[in-house]
Amino acid sequence: DIQMTQSPSSLSAAVGDRVTIICRASRSVSSFLNWYQFKPGEAPKLLIFAASTLQSGVPSRFAGSGSETEFTLTISSLQPEDFATYYCQQTYATFRTFGQGTKVET
Amino acid sequence: EVQLVESGGALELPGGSLRLSCAASGFNFSTYEMDWVRQSPGRGLEWVSYISAGSAAIYYADSVKGRFTISRDNAKNSLYLQMNSLRVEDTGVYYCARDRWGAGHTGRYFDLWGRGTPVTVSS
Repeated sequence: DIQMTQSPSSLSAAVGDRVTIICRASRSVSSFLNWYQFKPGEAPKLLIFAASTLQSGVPSRFAGSGSETEFTLTISSLQPEDFATYYCQQTYATFRTFGQGTKVET
Repeated sequence: EVQLVESGGALELPGGSLRLSCAASGFNFSTYEMDWVRQSPGRGLEWVSYISAGSAAIYYADSVKGRFTISRDNAKNSLYLQMNSLRVEDTGVYYCARDRWGAGHTGRYFDLWGRGTPVTVSS
């Protein structure tokens, strides 16, 4: 299986901050890398697919970059509704593995 | 409204069985591939199983292979997960998710999720 490693596992930030989350794959996943936002009690939300494509309806302050084994999710100016846990996912392989998550908190 | 709604989660003894359901609405369910994903404090977010639109292709994570069975009824717009020989480590929130390709096969992603149903396996 392809292992996905996120860093950091948690971070403390304030409204307006620029936030960067890194996701590394144990081997190349090309651009088959997605980012999701999880909030307790809510349906998870797709933010970015194919490494850098913004899902329809997602604010432009979210951006993804990278390819092969190293990827980044950036929130350019953190908003109150962005405090959540973020996961990367590879869909290059049949077994679609996730990173361990990054909790963004105040 | 386009949505997925999971149900069937419960408290179950180790070795027991549960059947989870996922009701789809607002879209042509029969044309979409689907997955089950679970989330637990100990194991994080874990992909569990996949089923193609017509049920021809099915895959399982090694941790559930031989114990869990994914199925779907396109006439009822429903996805299922039969969970047998449950273990404590199967505890978590189970989500169903719609699995799709991007335009031109530029990516593959889960673009619609339910809110999840909780499963607790404990004696």
